[in-house]
Amino acid sequence: SSELTQDPAVSVALGQTVRITCQGDSLRSYSASWYLQKPGQAPLLVIYDKNNRPSGIPDRFSGSSSGDSSSLTIAGAQAEDEADYYCSSRDNSGDHMVLFGGGTKLTVL
Amino acid sequence: QLQLQESGPGLVKPSETLSLTCTVSGDSISSSSDYWGWIRQPPGKGLEWIGSVYYSGTTFYNPSLKSRVTISVDTSKNQFSLKLSSVTAADTAVYYCARQGLRRLVLVTDSWGQGSLVIVSS
Repeated sequence: SSELTQDPAVSVALGQTVRITCQGDSLRSYSASWYLQKPGQAPLLVIYDKNNRPSGIPDRFSGSSSGDSSSLTIAGAQAEDEADYYCSSRDNSGDHMVLFGGGTKLTVL
Repeated sequence: QLQLQESGPGLVKPSETLSLTCTVSGDSISSSSDYWGWIRQPPGKGLEWIGSVYYSGTTFYNPSLKSRVTISVDTSKNQFSLKLSSVTAADTAVYYCARQGLRRLVLVTDSWGQGSLVIVSS
């Protein structure tokens, strides 16, 4: 399969924990990375290789995986975390070396 | 500090070829650990991978665009380029160039250009 599926929208109260999920058959074999994108800006890598954070990314961002799903968790969501979040990986065949999920709009209430 | 900068026409006519160049500074495009890719985002929509290139010239393309796409690298200028032929209005998008690292057989996009809006219209 060459698809990654995300919920279109998720909301979280300020300071609470939120999980954003990504589902796809290839996630059983390959790790996911996660990007956030704010309006008018380029995406920013926040998690790669399941649960690694690039330099400068707050430790409230973490990743996990189980079976055909991967998740991004934000512990203690801040107002500045409101953004679109995309998961990314690849497909099993190698035809799609890069796949993106459809994106999840996170609203911080 | 790595910087990627897209350049090229912002308006392309239908049926013509879209051409963009990405100039890389702060890193060598000949780095053995990096791939270089193009990703686009239609207005109000999600991200779509177009393709990626290694400094040796090895390319990977999105199967849905493969018949129309050519990505090449110019190591002497530290640049890589995108050509997309026979464009239609559906190709209107912000086009991002990016650096990608191969981590356990997965290309991870760790740095992005600011993006270049290309409109396809007569």
